[in-house]
Amino acid sequence: ETGVTQTPRHLVMGMTNKKSLKCEQHLGHNAMYWYKQSAKKPLELMFVYNFKEQTENNSVPSRFSPECPNSSHLFLHLHTLQPEDSALYLCASSQKAAGALGDTQYFGPGTRLTVL
Amino acid sequence: AQSVTQLDSQVPVFEEAPVELRCNYSSSVSVYLFWYVQYPNQGLQLLLKYLSGSTLVKGINGFEAEFNKSQTSFHLRKPSVHISDTAEYFCAVSDPSRGSTLGRLYFGRGTQLTVWP
Repeated sequence: ETGVTQTPRHLVMGMTNKKSLKCEQHLGHNAMYWYKQSAKKPLELMFVYNFKEQTENNSVPSRFSPECPNSSHLFLHLHTLQPEDSALYLCASSQKAAGALGDTQYFGPGTRLTVL
Repeated sequence: AQSVTQLDSQVPVFEEAPVELRCNYSSSVSVYLFWYVQYPNQGLQLLLKYLSGSTLVKGINGFEAEFNKSQTSFHLRKPSVHISDTAEYFCAVSDPSRGSTLGRLYFGRGTQLTVWP
């Protein structure tokens, strides 16, 4: 595997379910990010992790719970979601610590989430 | 916060024609600028970025962009498009002056480029 991978690629869940999204980067990067991509809206930054430590939570509801056990893995735990949470969830990583000026972010293919 | 405006949500064009995708941002201070491309069912891929130096930046797949500070614009161009260029294109801005959000990317809503044969 190369680059940034995400599993599953598609997920359908009910509002009472608990599920998790997984992201893995094979690039040796130090920062990882979760973004939400909704139709016709700009990408929304959700969380930022630097060297496994959360450095930014962009006012995300508590029904989204991130976890970063090491610099290569990032999870997003989902619980009691709402239909409006249906979106494409993108994971990204960057080589330098988040906040390094001009550093390129590398994106995974995303998980298409549908909440019924 | 920064805001990024991509003036066209959809741009249809015929193969081998030139194309320009427009991007304007809100701040007049020094910024870093990026263009990303998203092919169907894939994540975002960096096309090019401007950090400093020459205002004309060349990227992958024959794309280039020009930074215009006075007009706060960073338009993306390609002189001759291919069907394989059909994708969504995102402009993003990073504002180095913004303290705790240093390096954070602010994205536009995207422009869907569709190339017809």
